[in-house]
Amino acid sequence: GDSVTQMEGPVTLSEEAFLTINCTYTATGYPSLFWYVQYPGEGLQLLLKATKADDKGSNKGFEATYRKETTSFHLEKGSVQVSDSAVYFCALRGGSNYKLTFGKGTLLTVNP
Amino acid sequence: GAVVSQHPSRVICKSGTSVKIECRSLDFQATTMFWYRQFPKQSLMLMATSNEGSKATYEQGVEKDKFLINHASLTLSTLTVTSAHPEDSSFYICSASPRWGTGGSLGYGYTFGSGTRLTVV
Repeated sequence: GDSVTQMEGPVTLSEEAFLTINCTYTATGYPSLFWYVQYPGEGLQLLLKATKADDKGSNKGFEATYRKETTSFHLEKGSVQVSDSAVYFCALRGGSNYKLTFGKGTLLTVNP
Repeated sequence: GAVVSQHPSRVICKSGTSVKIECRSLDFQATTMFWYRQFPKQSLMLMATSNEGSKATYEQGVEKDKFLINHASLTLSTLTVTSAHPEDSSFYICSASPRWGTGGSLGYGYTFGSGTRLTVV
């Protein structure tokens, strides 16, 4: 079945540091890939997505590129801010169903 | 943009009582809604998928009689936790997928509600 393996946290960075959160997946067919962010006590917000190989999703300075050859969708940001502190979830939607499969989430804490 | 409203955001109930959680799509028609449960510091566990006008499809290990799901319209799905017990305490989150042809830029994404923190005492 489909699965998402996500870099284990927590990750603690200083403001303006570079961020990478690794995400790899296993899926049949051609899945769509997503990054969601969850702030404390809230639901999930879509951060970015990519629907086919080599697509780059980007939003709010975050980027991730759909790499079919390495089955990866790593999240990056060049300069993190304190307000980026949250839990980040990598997810995929398989080609043949409507379900989202989530990674375990990575807690990011950015210190001033 | 697409908005999903989930209510209540927090609820405390006594053991043995039932609690209903509502999930509404405010500006699009949701053919399919999903209910998740999230344990502290863990990922989301899909509980069930509900399609408007039909019975929900539950994931393996989820008790249908305990977690009643109703998707009576294209904008509303409800989750009722029946005879709640302390072990049902959790964060419940819904998400919605648009009806084909509506929802604008949702594309293949899903919109999530803000979650409901259920505490059973």
